[in-house]
Amino acid sequence: DVQLVESGGDLVKPGGSLRLSCVASGFTFSNAWMNWVRQAPGKGLEWVGRIKSKPDGGTTDYATPVKGRFTISRDDSKTTLYLQMNSLKTEDTAVYYCTTGIQLCSNWGQGTLVSVSS
Amino acid sequence: DIQMTQSPSTLSASVGDRVTITCRASQSISDWLAWYQQKPGKAPKLLIYKASILESGVPSRFSGSGSGTEFTLTISSLQPDDFATYHCQQYNSYSPTFGQGTKVEIK
Repeated sequence: DVQLVESGGDLVKPGGSLRLSCVASGFTFSNAWMNWVRQAPGKGLEWVGRIKSKPDGGTTDYATPVKGRFTISRDDSKTTLYLQMNSLKTEDTAVYYCTTGIQLCSNWGQGTLVSVSS
Repeated sequence: DIQMTQSPSTLSASVGDRVTITCRASQSISDWLAWYQQKPGKAPKLLIYKASILESGVPSRFSGSGSGTEFTLTISSLQPDDFATYHCQQYNSYSPTFGQGTKVEIK
């Protein structure tokens, strides 16, 4: 079975940084496109960005609100996806999910909570 | 970005009811639309993709239809396990976007 386990969420001050991790198992991680999706408290879902598999170029794309502040990377040897978040704003407060899929989000982790507050 | 608008935002229904949720796209997305179910405190779960294809293991009481800009999710006979929030998502563009969600609650 596909399993995705996120970690790294925390309370951080505005302007701060945080790195989230997502450990994957149950599928061939190195061939998978991976996404980050977030959900602010009581709100809908928002796609954050994706990283393609290395065979497909390994490139990244980001949603406009996070472009230039967030960086997605992957370590295929550790089957782990990362989200480096810099210059955090209060509006980045959300549960962050990692998902598998090319555009579509086929499988989801349980999420990790990031709170940005002074 | 393509905007996705769901209606209604909240729907009150009883067990056994037929329920329909609508999702509209701000421009044509062909049939590149997915539906997800989310229960409180849990991650979303993929129900339907390509507008009408049921994900493996999803009960047949769920169905999806539509193309272009207007789509519907129908639950033919609402069951207790179906009370949840439903999200549509377009994946036609390079930047996927979601609707705001529809909460199906007990009447």
